[in-house]
Amino acid sequence: DGGITQSPKYLFRKEGQNVTLSCEQNLNHDAMYWYRQDPGQGLRLIYYSQIVNDFQKGDIAEGYSVSREKKESFPLTVTSAQKNPTAFYLCASSILTSTGVETQYFGPGTRLLVL
Amino acid sequence: GQNIDQPTEMTATEGAIVQINCTYQTSGFNGLFWYQQHAGEAPTFLSYNVLDGLEEKGRFSSFLSRSKGYSYLLLKELQMKDSASYLCAPMDSNYQLIWGAGTKLIIKP
Repeated sequence: DGGITQSPKYLFRKEGQNVTLSCEQNLNHDAMYWYRQDPGQGLRLIYYSQIVNDFQKGDIAEGYSVSREKKESFPLTVTSAQKNPTAFYLCASSILTSTGVETQYFGPGTRLLVL
Repeated sequence: GQNIDQPTEMTATEGAIVQINCTYQTSGFNGLFWYQQHAGEAPTFLSYNVLDGLEEKGRFSSFLSRSKGYSYLLLKELQMKDSASYLCAPMDSNYQLIWGAGTKLIIKP
C-alpha cells in the first residue's frame, strides 16, 4: 500500500527534552513538508525539502530541526528551544513537476503534548 | 502581506447545498487548493483551480476568479459525513501554499 506514515500518533515531551517525529513515504515523491497546526489557525510551514540532502526553513523553523538523508524519510526534531511545542504536526509529500505545481498529500499526523 | 479570509463556521441541513467562500491576497498566484479535514485527522485533497471558472467533481465543485481574488467550494446533496473543516489554500509565487484557518461545516439532520 502506498502512502505516508507518521509515528507515533501521540507523543509526550518533558520539559527540556528533545523529541523526534517520524515521517516516511513510499510514493516516490520528491518533496516533503512539515506543518504545525494549532486550534483556530491555518497550517504553518516549519521546514520543507525538495531533494535529498537539502532542506529549507519555513515560516516557523525556530526550535525545530530536520534531516533528509533518504528520499523516503523526513524526520522532525522538536528541540528544547521550542517553548510552546504542543500542537498537531502534519507531514506531507508531493511530486515536483516541471510546472512547479504539485499537490500535497498528508500523513495522519502526530499530536505532541508537553508534560 | 498574504491573507486568507474564510467564514469560521457554517451550518447546513442534510440533503441541502452549501457554498463556502474564500478570499485571498497573495504574492503572486499559482492556483488554489481546497482540502477537507475531519476533526482530529489530516487534510485530504479535494480540488485545484488555476484558471477562472468552475471545476466539478461529483458532489463537490470549486470556482475561481483570479481578478477578484475569490474562490468558493460548493457542496451538493449534503451528507452527515461532510461535517468537517474546509481549508482554502492558494499557492504563491514561490509555489508555497498559504493556508486559511478553515471553515467548520456542521451538518444537521
